[in-house]
Amino acid sequence: AQSVTQLGSHVSVSEGALVLLRCNYSSSVPPYLFWYVQYPNQGLQLLLKYTSAATLVKGINGFEAEFKKSETSFHLTKPSAHMSDAAEYFCAVTPYNQGGKLIFGQGTELSVKP
Amino acid sequence: KAGVTQTPRYLIKTRGQQVTLSCSPISGHRSVSWYQQTPGQGLQFLFEYFSETQRNKGNFPGRFSGRQFSNSRSEMNVSTLELGDSALYLCASSLVQGRSTEAFFGQGTRLTVV
Repeated sequence: AQSVTQLGSHVSVSEGALVLLRCNYSSSVPPYLFWYVQYPNQGLQLLLKYTSAATLVKGINGFEAEFKKSETSFHLTKPSAHMSDAAEYFCAVTPYNQGGKLIFGQGTELSVKP
Repeated sequence: KAGVTQTPRYLIKTRGQQVTLSCSPISGHRSVSWYQQTPGQGLQFLFEYFSETQRNKGNFPGRFSGRQFSNSRSEMNVSTLELGDSALYLCASSLVQGRSTEAFFGQGTRLTVV
């Protein structure tokens, strides 16, 4: 079965600092991976996705993620945090042969200090 | 282009009652998925409909059911409500059913069972 694990339920950074949110996946077949963001009292918004093309994926709002098969990782990064980045971030995988279904990690809440 | 619309946004029900939640997908989208979000269990997949047919189902009891209409609008129903059903219910729509297809989420319906 495919799954994702997010390391760290809470991450706090200073404004302007590097953001690194960790996600490791488990999959016996090439995974399709996603990062979503959820602002308070909102639904989820797609930041970026990996679909086996380029291993470095650029998303919206300056975020990017690198797919590393050897490490089974898909960590999300942003060079310089902004106060508006404070939100909850979810890594997700689509199971093989179950398009339309997303399996989410437990989420990482990002706080940005001024 | 209008986004995914979920109604109502907030709902309070009594244990033992039943509830119906509604989701209107983005125009042209044929796949609709439902997720339950709770602090303890995180985001969990309920079911997915494509062209009025349930294609995938999560591990939820039979009290949770859904359907999709010919105009792609979807409803989910929970019968005999339990306190543990209190959650944010999110609906997502996709253009097609596929592993790499982006899912667009609504703002959710916050259900409180008392």
